[in-house]
Amino acid sequence: DAKTTQPNSMESNEEEPVHLPCNHSTISGTDYIHWYRQLPSQGPEYVIHGLTSNVNNRMASLAIAEDRKSSTLILHRATLRDAAVYYCILRLSGYALNFGKGTSLLVTP
Amino acid sequence: DSGVTQTPKHLITATGQRVTLRCSPRSGDLSVYWYQQSLDQGLQFLIQYYNGEERAKGNILERFSAQQFPDLHSELNLSSLELGDSALYFCASSVGKGQWTHEQYFGPGTRLTVT
Repeated sequence: DAKTTQPNSMESNEEEPVHLPCNHSTISGTDYIHWYRQLPSQGPEYVIHGLTSNVNNRMASLAIAEDRKSSTLILHRATLRDAAVYYCILRLSGYALNFGKGTSLLVTP
Repeated sequence: DSGVTQTPKHLITATGQRVTLRCSPRSGDLSVYWYQQSLDQGLQFLIQYYNGEERAKGNILERFSAQQFPDLHSELNLSSLELGDSALYFCASSVGKGQWTHEQYFGPGTRLTVT
């Protein structure tokens, strides 16, 4: 199963855009890239997913490199509510989620 | 609110004991996944059921077992508990089982403390 690498932590100011990077150099051609986040004291929450093209939804945007070896989750305007651990995930062979350590995002006012 | 419910919220028990964690998936979801979150191991996939059948196994110990009932709720049974089993146990559900299913909906978790 392919692995992902993310920075342990990042910090952002409120109302500023946040770019959360993820490396997945061993990704296979059929692997989708998923992002989930876990707010304090809650279960993980789906954010977005993509395969090759950039994707947008109401929560975030996902930019995928042309070679698919890296991706970036973009929060357009960080709020205090966005402080969470963000996981970049490829799936296990049975389609369960293969969580790594994630990036802890701190948002300061 | 994800629509996934888990009971109990907290459970404190002694080493050697057996406990059962319960999960009700979102209405209409056929897949149930169990995950364990501990400080040292992070979030790890344990097992998946789809419409009553075991679909995939992850890092689940032999002391642990699960099942999914005809009404689609699931139970995770943990026996011969050890201190190291203390963790948050999450249940998640999804509509499908495979390649085209991308969103899993997680419950609030059950915090298990083994003393």
